[in-house]
Amino acid sequence: TQLLEQSPQFLSIQEGENLTVYCNSSSVFSSLQWYRQEPGEGPVLLVTVVTGGEVKKLKRLTFQFGDARKDSSLHITAAQPGDTGLYLCAGFSGGGADGLTFGKGTHLIIQP
Amino acid sequence: NAGVTQTPKFQVLKTGQSMTLQCAQDMNHEYMSWYRQDPGMGLRLIHYSVGAGITDQGEVPNGYNVSRSTTEDFPLRLLSAAPSQTSVYFCASSPAFRDHGYTFGSGTRLTVV
Repeated sequence: TQLLEQSPQFLSIQEGENLTVYCNSSSVFSSLQWYRQEPGEGPVLLVTVVTGGEVKKLKRLTFQFGDARKDSSLHITAAQPGDTGLYLCAGFSGGGADGLTFGKGTHLIIQP
Repeated sequence: NAGVTQTPKFQVLKTGQSMTLQCAQDMNHEYMSWYRQDPGMGLRLIHYSVGAGITDQGEVPNGYNVSRSTTEDFPLRLLSAAPSQTSVYFCASSPAFRDHGYTFGSGTRLTVV
């Protein structure tokens, strides 16, 4: 069972368009994180959201944590080719001292 | 530059061979972990450590061993490589085990033939 479902799996759009990717779960998370991964590199942390309903902005990227802390979204305004990459959501669930659970990611391609 | 260093970057093994993937961090992070990334499967946790001398299993620990003798180093050992262990391996570290962002290394691409 996939704890974190990301959609869409693949997205290819033109430069300048807006887009939203989603991260959904039936479980409650104490926090959710978003990472971006480029080919041949490890994931790089973009943001952590902790409070239900929280909205964080990082330049053209807007991250939202659902009120019930079961879902999150990433919205990109005026996408640029440099935004191309694999976007991963990840979260901590339960009370154990284990590790982040990752979604399978959204492959985003921004065409010039 | 501060961060997580993984070596080697690429490795080809024959079935049955053993090897150690190295991971070192210089940020004095208590928490370290190993993930494998496979197409269509995402990142899956292999083993993790909440501090020197303490390790535990993650989601897919079979065929792998770890130890944590210092805060800085967290090597991953493949005991007897199998083709199913062909993957990209990432080491990550964090100040604590929960609710902190992870810093990842650049990965080791392992092929077992």
